[in-house]
Amino acid sequence: DTAVSQTPKYLVTQMGNDKSIKCEQNLGHDTMYWYKQDSKKFLKIMFSYNNKELIINETVPNRFSPKSPDKAHLNLHINSLELGDSAVYFCASSLTGTGSADTQYFGPGTRLTVL
Amino acid sequence: AQSVTQLDSQVPVFEEAPVELRCNYSSSVSVYLFWYVQYPNQGLQLLLKYLSGSTLVKGINGFEAEFNKSQTSFHLRKPSVHISDTAEYFCAVSVTGFQKLVFGTGTRLLVSP
Repeated sequence: DTAVSQTPKYLVTQMGNDKSIKCEQNLGHDTMYWYKQDSKKFLKIMFSYNNKELIINETVPNRFSPKSPDKAHLNLHINSLELGDSAVYFCASSLTGTGSADTQYFGPGTRLTVL
Repeated sequence: AQSVTQLDSQVPVFEEAPVELRCNYSSSVSVYLFWYVQYPNQGLQLLLKYLSGSTLVKGINGFEAEFNKSQTSFHLRKPSVHISDTAEYFCAVSVTGFQKLVFGTGTRLLVSP
């Protein structure tokens, strides 16, 4: 009965490759997010989708492309991976599309290592 | 723009001692305030949040935080910590009307016997 799940948990790849991370939530939430946590544990939002519509797009290289096939899924595709992309990527979801007071529920994270 | 400062990157404490983790924020508009906890190799989970009303907020696992508007602070406290409280603690703010959470840099709480 996992609320927010991500696959894979670990991803090790070579520079220049393309990879995807998948996220699913079974909470019935309208909004999903991608966060990047760097090696110093700093957590920064990358994207947010509400009902399959992109609503937050921070200054992220366009090698990163989120895709939301339905409101329960938000995938992250990364092209031409670079060393600096190594990080832990967290997916999260929240109930509504407008509630900045909403609690965000986080997945377990995907540790991406680019060699 | 909003920002969050967690001055202490690491707080070592003995089991059963009290602890306070400090958080200060900067914003020119009203904000909501959150504390999240990240246990080793896990995602974040909400400890507590301040939306409005009473400035003392109680959360899970015996934690509480006090909102102080004049000092723009939202410090987290626990009167007696356990070994299992060892984790990374993140303070975050969101601006009313916007969903974006802005996180502080985190404080690692290390509880030893």
